[in-house]
This record gives sequence, structure tokens and C-alpha cells, in this order.
Amino acid sequence: RKEVEQDPGPFNVPEGATVAFNCTYSNSASQSFFWYRQDCRKEPKLLMSVYSSGNEDGRFTAQLNRASQYISLLIRDSKLSDSATYLCVVKGGGYNKLIFGAGTRLAVHP
Amino acid sequence: DAGITQSPRHKVTETGTPVTLRCHQTENHRYMYWYRQDPGHGLRLIHYSYGVKDTDKGEVSDGYSVSRSKTEDFLLTLESATSSQTSVYFCAISGTGDNQPQHFGDGTRLSIL
Repeated sequence: RKEVEQDPGPFNVPEGATVAFNCTYSNSASQSFFWYRQDCRKEPKLLMSVYSSGNEDGRFTAQLNRASQYISLLIRDSKLSDSATYLCVVKGGGYNKLIFGAGTRLAVHP
Repeated sequence: DAGITQSPRHKVTETGTPVTLRCHQTENHRYMYWYRQDPGHGLRLIHYSYGVKDTDKGEVSDGYSVSRSKTEDFLLTLESATSSQTSVYFCAISGTGDNQPQHFGDGTRLSIL
């Protein structure tokens, strides 16, 4: 079983749609969680950290369920510019090592 | 954007040749990492560094070595490149403290023929 699992997609949605991505992780001791965004042939960029109480940044909402070892990302009012691959990331030990999911691809169309 | 520069950005070389990739940071961060990214695998950690001259292996370290003689530079070396090492290589940096994310360089596209 992979340490961080995501649905690879692609998710094809129209502009203005709400879309949700899910992610599960295997290490119950994990303490830090993030969502990264990666555009085609570019480097991953931090989208947002995920906090235990859930957090929101504009159109993006992240949720953490420690009991189920489950992380989610909700994107409201999708824009064309949201088209990218979204990486679920979990802290994987000391020295701030991170474990990356393989990513979920989102395509927003007009 | 985090001050991270990777060089070269693109390289094509032949099997059996040595290759060195450089990662340079201007953030004075303690932690540095090298990843490779391949279709279907996502990002996989090759080696990481937790200080000058302090390095350790990641999950896919075979065939790679690293060195860090200065805080700002982290070098990745393929002693004798193989075609299976064709990939996109990313360097990342992170500060100390809990819940610190990593920030990535632009990547190096390496093709081994």
C-alpha cells in the first residue's frame, strides 16, 4: 500500500463548478499535511497547509480527519487557471521530510 | 519565490558518463533535498541534507551520491549514468521548526541516451 494515496483523475469540470479531492495516508503518527499544486512541466508549489480544525484560503478549503487518516481539498467556483495537478503531502519523519502522493489532475473547461 | 536555483535546467548525456546537478539557495535554510519525478511515481526522495556535510539516503538513493560543503549548495552526482535515471530532478529546501513546508527549484530535465 502506498503511504499517500490519491485518485489520479482526471477531473474534468466546467468553470464555476465545485470540485473535491480526497487523499488517504497510512502513517497514523503523521503530524503535518499540505496540498501542493503542480502545473505541467513546472515545479510543485505550496497551495496550503492543512490544519486539524480545517482551514480556508479564498476559494480553497482543506480538511483533515485524523481518525480516518483522510485529507480533502475543496475548490469552489473553479477557474480555468485552476487546471493543474494537486499533490497531497504528508510529513514523513524527521528533518521535515515529506511524502508526496502521485497527484490528482484537474482540468477546468469553459 | 524561494531563492533556489538549479543547474543545468536541461541536460542530455550518454550512458556511463558522470553527471552532476547543482542546487543553490539564498535562503540560508538548513534542510535541502533532491527528488526525482517520473510518470506514475510522483516525487521520490533521493537524498537529503540536514546541515553542512550532513546527508542521508532517501527511498531511491542507489546510483546517486550527494555532497554539501556549504550551506547554500547541494550537489547530486550520478557517477555512471544509466537510462533508468532519465527523469526530472527537483531540489527543495526547508526551514527548521515544526510544520515547515518545502519549496522547490525549477527542476532539471535529464536524458540519458
